[in-house]
Amino acid sequence: QSALTQPRSVSGSPGQSVTISCTGTSSDVGGYDFVSWFQQHPGKAPKLLIFDVNRRPSGVPGRFSGSKSGNAASLTISGLQAEDEADYHCCSYAGRSWVFGGGTKLTVL
Amino acid sequence: QLHLQESGPGLVKPSETLSLTCSVSGGSISGYYCSWIRQSPGKGLEWIGYIYYSGSTNYNPSLKSRVTISADTSKNQVSLNLSSVTAADTAVYYCAGGYNLDFWGQGTLVTVSS
Repeated sequence: QSALTQPRSVSGSPGQSVTISCTGTSSDVGGYDFVSWFQQHPGKAPKLLIFDVNRRPSGVPGRFSGSKSGNAASLTISGLQAEDEADYHCCSYAGRSWVFGGGTKLTVL
Repeated sequence: QLHLQESGPGLVKPSETLSLTCSVSGGSISGYYCSWIRQSPGKGLEWIGYIYYSGSTNYNPSLKSRVTISADTSKNQVSLNLSSVTAADTAVYYCAGGYNLDFWGQGTLVTVSS
C-alpha cells in the first residue's frame, strides 16, 4: 500500500483557480469512487472538504470541487481567497483500508 | 455533529506500548466508524485503522501486526494500542468519526523517546 502522489506545493493569486492532483493506482483511486479531500491549516486538525470524489459536506463552499479520471483525482479551488492557504490531503479507499497522499501546500500569493 | 477528544501519555519509551483514548460527545459511537490517523512531524497523514461499533476492525497492513483498536460503547470511547514503538512512531495522533472521516479530534502529540 503506497501513498498517493500529490505535488508538494502549488500557488495562485486571489480570485484565480488552482487544481491539485492526486495520483494513485487501479487498486485505490482508479478502483473506487471513494476519494476524499481534506484541508489542514497549521496546527489544526484536517477538515473534510470533498467525499465520494465530488460531494461536499454541508457548509463547504461551492468553490471547492472534486473530480476523477482513471487513476488520478483532482481538487479545484476557484475564486481563491487568502484563507484557502493551507495544506490539502487526498485520501482514497483501497479495499478494506484507506490511503492518503503526501499533502500539498497551497500558497496564496 | 460528533465532537472527539484524544487523550493519553505524551511520552512513550521505545519498545513500549502507546495507548490512546478517543472520547466522543454529541452523539453515540454506535452506528459510526471511528478511525485513527497519525501525522509525523512535517509529513503527510497515515491511516492507522478503524473500528465499527459492532466491533469489526480493519488496519493499515503496514501496522497491522502492532495495532489494536477497540471500542467501549458504554463509555462512548474508542482506544488505540500500538505496541513495540520506535522513534518512527512519533506523531500527532488523531481520531476521526464517520465513514468519510467527517469529524476529527484536535489531535495529540506522542513522542517516542527514552
